[in-house]
Amino acid sequence: AQSVTQLGSHVSVSEGALVLLRCNYSSSVPPYLFWYVQYPNQGLQLLLKYTSAATLVKGINGFEAEFKKSETSFHLTKPSAHMSDAAEYFCAVSEGQGGKLIFGQGTELSVKP
Amino acid sequence: GAGVSQSPSNKVTEKGKDVELRCDPISGHTALYWYRQRLGQGLEFLIYFQGNSAPDKSGLPSDRFSAERTGESVSTLTIQRTQQEDSAVYLCASSFSYNEQFFGPGTRLTVL
Repeated sequence: AQSVTQLGSHVSVSEGALVLLRCNYSSSVPPYLFWYVQYPNQGLQLLLKYTSAATLVKGINGFEAEFKKSETSFHLTKPSAHMSDAAEYFCAVSEGQGGKLIFGQGTELSVKP
Repeated sequence: GAGVSQSPSNKVTEKGKDVELRCDPISGHTALYWYRQRLGQGLEFLIYFQGNSAPDKSGLPSDRFSAERTGESVSTLTIQRTQQEDSAVYLCASSFSYNEQFFGPGTRLTVL
């Protein structure tokens, strides 16, 4: 069975600081991995996805994530946080490009001025 | 180009009542998914429709939950005899074949 663990339910950074949101996955087959963002009172929006091509994936709003098979990780990073990045971030895994997504518990990112 | 829409946006019901939640996917999207997001928790998969294939119902938490989809259009999620633990935001997503899932704004269900 697939599963996702997001370390830290709440992360707080200063504006301009590095953002690092951690995600580890478990999958018996090569995974497809996703990061979604949920702004307050809005639906989920796809930030980026890994589908077995390049291990370093670039997404929208300056975010990127690196797939590390040896560490079963897919951490999300952004070099410099902006106030508008404050939101909840979800890591998800699926067995293929289609099919159900298995989500982590989410990490709420706060950005301090 | 409308996105995924869901109705109602909010639903308050009494314990024991039945509720129906509606999802209108993006036109042309063959796959439709239902997820549930309980307060402070991640999203839980409920059910998945892909074209004319039998739906994947493996995430439905009990036989009080059911869903239907008419062709490749509207889907309805029905919860019978609602319980307080059913209170959550119910999210619908659609995708074209095996591509990105686009999520709707959700229906917030409160069971009193």
